[in-house]
Formats: sequence, structure tokens, C-alpha cells
Amino acid sequence: QSALTQPASVSGSPGQSITISCTGTSRDVGGYNYVSWYQHHPGKAPKLMIYEVTNRPSGVSSRFSGSKSANTASLTISGLQAEDEGDYYCTSYTSSSTLDYVFGAGTKVTVL
Amino acid sequence: QVQLVQSGAEVKKPGASVKVSCKASGYTFTNYAMHWVRQAPGQSLEWMGCINNDNVNTRYSQKFQGRVTITRDISASTVYMGLSSLRYEDTAVYFCARVPSKVATFPPYYFDYWGQGTLVTVSS
Repeated sequence: QSALTQPASVSGSPGQSITISCTGTSRDVGGYNYVSWYQHHPGKAPKLMIYEVTNRPSGVSSRFSGSKSANTASLTISGLQAEDEGDYYCTSYTSSSTLDYVFGAGTKVTVL
Repeated sequence: QVQLVQSGAEVKKPGASVKVSCKASGYTFTNYAMHWVRQAPGQSLEWMGCINNDNVNTRYSQKFQGRVTITRDISASTVYMGLSSLRYEDTAVYFCARVPSKVATFPPYYFDYWGQGTLVTVSS
């Protein structure tokens, strides 16, 4: 069981917007602005899409945006494109004494 | 460009040890800390531990404490993750992941570059 809760799958048609949620607790998502999002295609290196809740690395499309409210962070992909298909993971720093980072179970994004 | 290239797949017997490497290029190796994360089949990602740029300070998830060792060879620009007393449930893809900082245990808390992953299979 993952520490952060994500929907298993989200789908949308090209051009639409989708939002992936990531729910944690006050010890991780709610307690810090250290949520990041990664796109992963199996067999390849994961790619950083959003860091520190809302920041987008250079080279990442402006169609990707992040936000947070209380213990839930969200990743929104607007103007959905076929190349956006893949698995998306959220992660957060945690104040747990046993580990530093927690991850979500991942959300499979499908472009219809 | 930044690249993290990991060693190839491994098959190990229960009780054995494995050492996975992660060779860095495209940046000043001594300026960045590194983490290791794994993903078991059908499971989410799982943080294992990290090492600072100084090759001295490490920090491990309590789950792997005593079995995992992370080291780095500055001359080879390579970080290593060793895992001992392997169990069937250690079958997973292991990733190295860089943080944009010298110190892994302070902010920023995100991974800006990842390796391609190394499959470790534990099988008798």
C-alpha cells in the first residue's frame, strides 16, 4: 500500500484537460511544499515534470501545472496530447523518522 | 547533457548480494548528491537511501537499514548501491536519481535526473 493515494488511471481525449490527484497527510503533502511529479514510460528513466508543488523545470511543456490544497496535490495536463500517455507518480518529502520520501502508486494516463 | 547510465540486469539467488552501478556524465559529479529508488513488479516506487557529494554521509530507509550500502567513486563518476541478504521480494527495478544539491538530507527535495533502471531478479 502506497503512502500517497493516486487514482489508478485517468483518460481524456486530445485537447482536453485532465487532473491527477495525490493525497497524503500532514506529515508529507500537507506539511511541506515538496511535492514533485514524474512521468515514466516503462524501460526508460522517469522524467521530472513538476517540483515543489508548482514549479516546472525548463523544457517541460507549460501544459503541465501543479497545485496543492491541504493534504492533496494535483497535476493538471491541459491540451492533452498523445505523447502525454504514460505513468505519473507523485512524491513528497516526509517527516517520518524511518524514510525521507513517500511515493504514490502511480496513475496511468491514456489519451483516447 | 546530464546522463545517468546504470549497469545491466542481474539474476541472484536468495541470500546473495548485488551491487548496481550508476555512471554519471554531463555535469560536475562532486557537486550533487544521489539517491536510490526501487520499483517491485506491480508496485509503486520506494525510496531506499542517499549519499551526499562528500562520499561520507549516507542515509537509509529504515526498511533497508543493515542490508543496503550506497557508495560513490569520484574518480569514476559512479555511484553504487549494494544490497545484501537478497530475498525474493527484492526482485525489482532499481533506479539512481540525482538531486540538485550537494546534500541529500536538506532541501531541495526532488529528483531532477534519473537512471534508466536496473532489473534485479532474485530467483533460486
